[in-house]
Amino acid sequence: GAVVSQHPSWVICKSGTSVKIECRSLDFQATTMFWYRQFPKQSLMLMATSNEGSKATYEQGVEKDKFLINHASLTLSTLTVTSAHPEDSSFYICSVSGRETQYFGPGTRLLVL
Amino acid sequence: AQTVTQSQPEMSVQEAETVTLSCTYDTSESDYYLFWYKQPPSRQMILVIRQEAYKQQNATENRFSVNFQKAAKSFSLKISDSQLGDAAMYFCASGPNFGNEKLTFGTGTRLTIIP
Repeated sequence: GAVVSQHPSWVICKSGTSVKIECRSLDFQATTMFWYRQFPKQSLMLMATSNEGSKATYEQGVEKDKFLINHASLTLSTLTVTSAHPEDSSFYICSVSGRETQYFGPGTRLLVL
Repeated sequence: AQTVTQSQPEMSVQEAETVTLSCTYDTSESDYYLFWYKQPPSRQMILVIRQEAYKQQNATENRFSVNFQKAAKSFSLKISDSQLGDAAMYFCASGPNFGNEKLTFGTGTRLTIIP
């Protein structure tokens, strides 16, 4: 399966600042990546589908101006949480669309103070 | 639209025993795949097993097997010879086509292994 990395693994920031999370597919050309959000003790909720070279497709209720996604290459997608607030604190997970399944990154824990 | 329901928030099993985790789903897709993912304390999502809906034969992976009842839209996971390393959150998921498109996850079942 594909090896997927995320950076940073965890980040603490002040309210009002922006945070960028990187998702890299290390050994697989990823035309499609997904961004999920997971609150404590809850399931994964799909935020958006990231397609290389085109605009991301956001799920209903997800603010596209709040969560900026860029997928400029076949190996990298980034999620930027703009003007972060404490309610944005969560665990963010990316995945790469593979041949027959998705391969998940290790996640990024975001804490907004 | 797809929905996935896991009715057991928590389960526990004695080490070396067998446990079954339940999952039901609903989908409007004609072709779809079903998955069980494991999320240990590290929070890394790990694929446990996948089932193609068009296949009648239940998938198996070593100690893990599924009971896929398509008419009942049921997809349970059986873990045999439970080991301490099996302790984790288990998520059932459904996706269209090959499952490499967007997935819908259930709410998860926390499995505890009793030594």
